[in-house]
Amino acid sequence: EADIYQTPRYLVIGTGKKITLECSQTMGHDKMYWYQQDPGMELHLIHYSYGVNSTEKGDLSSESTVSRIRTEHFPLTLESARPSHTSQYLCASSEYSGTGNNSPLHFGNGTRLTVT
Amino acid sequence: QKEVEQDPGPLSVPEGAIVSLNCTYSNSAFQYFMWYRQYSRKGPELLMYTYSSGNKEDGRFTAQVDKSSKYISLFIRDSQPSDSATYLCAMRAAGQGAQKLVFGQGTRLTINP
Repeated sequence: EADIYQTPRYLVIGTGKKITLECSQTMGHDKMYWYQQDPGMELHLIHYSYGVNSTEKGDLSSESTVSRIRTEHFPLTLESARPSHTSQYLCASSEYSGTGNNSPLHFGNGTRLTVT
Repeated sequence: QKEVEQDPGPLSVPEGAIVSLNCTYSNSAFQYFMWYRQYSRKGPELLMYTYSSGNKEDGRFTAQVDKSSKYISLFIRDSQPSDSATYLCAMRAAGQGAQKLVFGQGTRLTINP
């Protein structure tokens, strides 16, 4: 069973609302990630973090922001949701091992966001 | 052109069949190759992890890497209905962290009893 938890599992919200997607992990992993997943499309990295107070943007441009105040917690925030933000958001974590040569990703079960 | 190409399927086979899932890639620097399995309404979970070329076997699953052809495969022997899921290939170069993983689109597989 996954040791990385995402809430809520499903969220339907109106345009213009501010939302925060929660992600927590109990494995003590330094690195955490947010991916966007749409049907039939590859996973796209939108944010990642090397550790506390470290955040970086991923390859896919996103209007969301993230914070990393505690090792175990990596929330994602959308200040003003739009229908184009409708997607599945996956949180993941991995150990930091220098070059990262043996650090597979552990995923949460995702948040399915629908913006109407 | 995408760095990693994966046939999205869907692929439907009878129980007990041998399944072959494949990905091609264009970046010759890729050295680490992974297969993730994703059940419906769940996150992906790591199934197989291989480095460079060759085969790796784990129970009914075999991962194969052919770097000369830039082609990787996942074989499932004696397929079971519980193997029904979406299978994602992922890969990256040596010396790069997981944030550099490139994923395929995923192949949706259904095993029919």
